[in-house]
Amino acid sequence: DAKTTQPPSMDCAEGRAANLPCNHSTISGNEYVYWYRQIHSQGPQYIIHGLKNNETNEMASLIITEDRKSSTLILPHATLRDTAVYYCIVIITSGSARQLTFGSGTQLTVLP
Amino acid sequence: GAVVSQHPSWVICKSGTSVKIECRSLDFQATTMFWYRQFPKQSLMLMATSNEGSKATYEQGVEKDKFLINHASLTLSTLTVTSAHPEDSSFYICSAGKTGLNTEAFFGQGTRLTVV
Repeated sequence: DAKTTQPPSMDCAEGRAANLPCNHSTISGNEYVYWYRQIHSQGPQYIIHGLKNNETNEMASLIITEDRKSSTLILPHATLRDTAVYYCIVIITSGSARQLTFGSGTQLTVLP
Repeated sequence: GAVVSQHPSWVICKSGTSVKIECRSLDFQATTMFWYRQFPKQSLMLMATSNEGSKATYEQGVEKDKFLINHASLTLSTLTVTSAHPEDSSFYICSAGKTGLNTEAFFGQGTRLTVV
């Protein structure tokens, strides 16, 4: 699976959009970009995933560059409860569940 | 969304004793579950892959005789930490996913193990 690079930490004001970048320059054509987050002392929570098109759900938007070498997770209106470590993971999905390789992630702190 | 439940959420045990952690998929069947360990201020590290009806696959450096995994049904995997030592104190997390393309993994809430 392709390696990802994320900034170790970011701050965001409450109510503002949080934009979390991720570099995955070695991504291959059949690898998806997944985002998870982990609130302190809890299990990771799935946020969103995509292949090459931009995706949006009730939690966030995922913007993937045309060359697919980087992506940005956007939390449109960050709240204090969005404070967490955010993990960008690139993985080939198949017919069965696969283990995930977690990097260091980005610690997002939403400030009041 | 699918739910994966872990029990207990936290446990304190004495050195030398064994502790069992359960991981259940509540609304789907999981032929494969994964066990992770997370030390303070570190990321999750895969320990082993639990396969229903067969032996678990352990990652390099994880002692299979110390971390016993049993996946006796399609909705339950258990991790037993045998002869626990203080250095086994950690946050243990399981995950499972539905079969199919582009599926996401669902994680349990984690188990905080403290060995005293």
